[in-house]
Amino acid sequence: EVQLVESGGGLVQPGGSLRLSCAASGFTFSSYSMNWVRQAPGKGLEWVSYISSSSSTIYYADSVKGRFTISRDNAKNSLYLQMNSLRDEDTAVYYCHGGTGSSTSWGQGTLVTVSS
Amino acid sequence: DIQMTQSPSSLSASVGDRVTITCQASQDISNYLNWYQQKPGKAPKLLIYDASNLETGVPSRFSGSGSGTDFTFTISSLQPEDIATYYCQQYDNLPRFGQGTRLEIK
Repeated sequence: EVQLVESGGGLVQPGGSLRLSCAASGFTFSSYSMNWVRQAPGKGLEWVSYISSSSSTIYYADSVKGRFTISRDNAKNSLYLQMNSLRDEDTAVYYCHGGTGSSTSWGQGTLVTVSS
Repeated sequence: DIQMTQSPSSLSASVGDRVTITCQASQDISNYLNWYQQKPGKAPKLLIYDASNLETGVPSRFSGSGSGTDFTFTISSLQPEDIATYYCQQYDNLPRFGQGTRLEIK
């Protein structure tokens, strides 16, 4: 069974940092590009960042460019998101998302709250 | 960037009604489109992939059609458990989502 499990969310002050992790199982993680997608309270889904299977290609949404860093460790079947200089507007549930078509998968999400 | 325009943003219908949601891409995405159902506090659930293929285990009252830039999602007979928000997503390029359609029972 394909499973993505996020962790690392929590309450952080504006300007602070947080590192999210996503543990993958049930599929060949190293063969798939992965994404982080977020959803602010009461809002829609927003793509945040993309990383290719080999980490050779990385993209960020303009809203997080220069503050967030995506990475992966294929040996550990894990995806990461380092979030620095956090702002109030980064408050959201962050989802790990990968695959396309019938192999699409999502984690359950981890809540990040940026507040003083 | 490919933009996805989804409509309507909200919809109220009666049990048994046929419900239709549309999604338009800003450029040709072939059939690289998913449709999701999301209930409060839950992750999106894949219903339709490749624009018209029903995900395993999803009831047959859900269907999708279209290719290129124009896509349609249909619930043939609305059930109470279908109350949720629905999103389209293109994956021809970086993932982009429609704004969502909140479906309510009249």
